[in-house]
Amino acid sequence: EVQLLESGGGLVQPGGSLRLSCAVSGLTFSTYAMGWVRQAPGKGLEWVSGISGSGDNTYYADSVKGRFTISRDNFKNTLYLQMNSLRAEDTAIYYCAKGRRTAPRDAFDIWGQGTMVTVSS
Amino acid sequence: DIQMTQSPSTLSASVGDRVTITCRASQSISSWLAWYQQKPGKAPKLLIYKTSSLESGVPSRFSGGGSGTEFTLIINSLQPDDFATYYCQQYSSYSFTFGPGTKVDIK
Repeated sequence: EVQLLESGGGLVQPGGSLRLSCAVSGLTFSTYAMGWVRQAPGKGLEWVSGISGSGDNTYYADSVKGRFTISRDNFKNTLYLQMNSLRAEDTAIYYCAKGRRTAPRDAFDIWGQGTMVTVSS
Repeated sequence: DIQMTQSPSTLSASVGDRVTITCRASQSISSWLAWYQQKPGKAPKLLIYKTSSLESGVPSRFSGGGSGTEFTLIINSLQPDDFATYYCQQYSSYSFTFGPGTKVDIK
């Protein structure tokens, strides 16, 4: 069974940093593109960032470009999101999600349970 | 970036109804569209990918169609478990934008 387990969320002050992790099990991690999607309280889904299976290609929403960095460790089967210069509007549940196939662009078929990030003083 | 819109934003329906949700893209995305269902406090669940392909395990009462810039999600014979919020998402090009969602509630 494929499982995605996020961690690293919490309360952080504006301007602070946080690193999210997503531990993946049950598949050959390096063959799948992965992504992060967030959901602010009471709001819709917002795609945040994506990364190819090899990690060579990364993509960001304009709202986080230059502040967030996505990466992966294919030996540890773990996806990361380094978040810097955090703002109140970054407050959200952050989900990691797996691409459905090995293609670089595909729908997300498996999602983690989410980790809450709260940016507040 | 490609912008996605959905209509209606809220839909009131009864068990057994046929429900149609529309999703529009600001430019052509070919067939690179997915539909997700989300219930309160839960992660989204993939229902349909590539416009009309049903994800494994998803009931056949769900179907999708369209191409280019206009797409539909149809739920035939709405069941109690289907009351939820539905999102479309384009994955034609990064960013993989989502629509704002359609909440299906009980009439």
